[in-house]
Amino acid sequence: ETGVTQSPTHLIKTRGQQVTLRCSSQSGHNTVSWYQQALGQGPQFIFQYYREEENGRGNFPPRFSGLQFPNYSSELNVNALELDDSALYLCASSVGTSGSSQETQYFGPGTRLLVL
Amino acid sequence: AQSVTQLGSHVSVSEGALVLLRCNYSSSVPPYLFWYVQYPNQGLQLLLKYTSAATLVKGINGFEAEFKKSETSFHLTKPSAHMSDAAEYFCAVSRMDSSYKLIFGSGTRLLVRP
Repeated sequence: ETGVTQSPTHLIKTRGQQVTLRCSSQSGHNTVSWYQQALGQGPQFIFQYYREEENGRGNFPPRFSGLQFPNYSSELNVNALELDDSALYLCASSVGTSGSSQETQYFGPGTRLLVL
Repeated sequence: AQSVTQLGSHVSVSEGALVLLRCNYSSSVPPYLFWYVQYPNQGLQLLLKYTSAATLVKGINGFEAEFKKSETSFHLTKPSAHMSDAAEYFCAVSRMDSSYKLIFGSGTRLLVRP
């Protein structure tokens, strides 16, 4: 196990609702990244937070937003849910400053979101 | 721009046979490359990573991968498959800009036949 935890494990929402997913980073890690993994695909980068500031964003609309707290735990918020938002959402924690691209990202077990 | 291509969405081998999972990358700068494994209903677990220290990288569970710059490849191998190796395997390249996100391939599902 990596020490990265996520909650909840599963979630069912209806279209148009809002959802908040949570991630607790591995001890000592100051960076968290969020990924969306649709069924049968590889994970897609949503965004990254470093020391409570957004530090890069993928091709996701603004209704995907996040927070990182002083204890380095993190939230992913998705507003106005769409059917295509159904996926496994993974968070990954790591140590390092911007540009430390060789640092290993340690993944949590994910939250599976189903939008009906 | 960096990208990763995994050839073969499904690979089937017999228990005890060689495992070979293919990964080719595209990168304009020296890449950092990773292999992750995902068991059903779980997150991703790091198998190994290449960070330019050595071209042959040994990972966990008997897996290894060789970085070949001339072929832009980073194939994953294991000499003898075990039933417990059945899982989805993802190759990823780390992109360095303002952040260091991972760019994943589409994955290869490994099936191990008894």
